[in-house]
Amino acid sequence: QQQVKQSPQSLIVQKGGISIINCAYENTAFDYFPWYQQFPGKGPALLIAIRPDVSEKKEGRFTISFNKSAKQFSLHIMDSQPGDSATYFCAASQGAMEYGNKLVFGAGTILRVKS
Amino acid sequence: GAVVSQHPSWVICKSGTSVKIECRSLDFQATTMFWYRQFPKQSLMLMATSNEGSKATYEQGVEKDKFLINHASLTLSTLTVTSAHPEDSSFYICSARAQTKNIQYFGAGTRLSVL
Repeated sequence: QQQVKQSPQSLIVQKGGISIINCAYENTAFDYFPWYQQFPGKGPALLIAIRPDVSEKKEGRFTISFNKSAKQFSLHIMDSQPGDSATYFCAASQGAMEYGNKLVFGAGTILRVKS
Repeated sequence: GAVVSQHPSWVICKSGTSVKIECRSLDFQATTMFWYRQFPKQSLMLMATSNEGSKATYEQGVEKDKFLINHASLTLSTLTVTSAHPEDSSFYICSARAQTKNIQYFGAGTRLSVL
């Protein structure tokens, strides 16, 4: 129930195209859903995050779509660029203090944007 | 954004020696720090949660006597890998949660190679 399932495992997109990565969760107590971007040999960097009271959040070229009833959320990268080539992780956590705000990560998606 | 500094970025050691990794929050106070382990092309696995001034909480399967965690101040947590063996070779990443926000900021990671 603590798992977050992420797909696809890898993705190749043409420059200028839309990259879409999907995640699904089971634990309905999760109330914070961040996406992280990680380049090789570096730590993850927070990209964008959403809470379940909204269905969509957009920051620049990055958009999270959230479907509470389906327990799914996705990351859309518009106008994908070669510099977006990285590994993307979705995650989820429960905000209550007794859960320590521990993040549960998806397996990751390796994105390659072809120029 | 908040900055988390992790040091060293890469360490090579002989089997049987101990290695200390530092994680510092540079511009915010972190009541909670997290330590993760990441194998190549895999997701982040939470090892332990560290709260300032108290003992760390380890995830199931993580040996607390092997991975010593100290969180002596609101800006510093250390992970010591004791009597390291080749199977401990991995990428270790820390994160810090700001006192006032439910957001984890990650360090750049430490690549440990045990010969």
